[in-house]
Amino acid sequence: NAGVTQTPKFQVLKTGQSMTLQCAQDMNHNSMYWYRQDPGMGLRLIYYSASEGTTDKGEVPNGYNVSRLNKREFSLRLESAAPSQTSVYFCASSLAFFSGRTRYEQYFGPGTRLTVT
Amino acid sequence: KQEVTQIPAALSVPEGENLVLNCSFTDSAIYNLQWFRQDPGKGLTSLLLIQSSQREQTSGRLNASLDKSSGRSTLYIAASQPGDSATYLCAVSTGANSKLTFGKGITLSVRP
Repeated sequence: NAGVTQTPKFQVLKTGQSMTLQCAQDMNHNSMYWYRQDPGMGLRLIYYSASEGTTDKGEVPNGYNVSRLNKREFSLRLESAAPSQTSVYFCASSLAFFSGRTRYEQYFGPGTRLTVT
Repeated sequence: KQEVTQIPAALSVPEGENLVLNCSFTDSAIYNLQWFRQDPGKGLTSLLLIQSSQREQTSGRLNASLDKSSGRSTLYIAASQPGDSATYLCAVSTGANSKLTFGKGITLSVRP
């Protein structure tokens, strides 16, 4: 049981380049999230997917797109990277049903450290 | 818009001390509140989740309380150890979809 996994762990991009951050969870969670963490700003929600087949914007969606590929996988794409997108990106998942109980705890991946020069 | 505040930003205590970390939020209409721990360069680890209908949750040396009407939560750590040194974040959800609004965290250092 790996929990939430993210690839890559580190990435350096030049301004204008594109890339996709990958996230997968093996906990049968319904909801998945992408956050960014910046010094002095804390964690902010970029996009989330309440369930397979749905996605919605969070607090800071500009410059990003997401795809909920299936129940396990949720990817984040930067189409044209900017220095302001230098950050640590975390994927998280939550909302599962066990024995008639709903579990809301959110579980996080190890993060992707992205630098845009 | 929900805002979550954690003060102070940093705290240093001697080993063995019992301590309380505070969290306040502006909108009392929360669904649940979650406390996390983050070690340097790592992801977040969930410590405790309190549903809006609950007053407290306990796990080992940790106890989290919730006073929804006053917009406050506390995380109590008993008999602190150097291994408790980390950043502790509080986050609130205002819906069943679990979208979280985070505080900026309290960086705790426990001195041997």
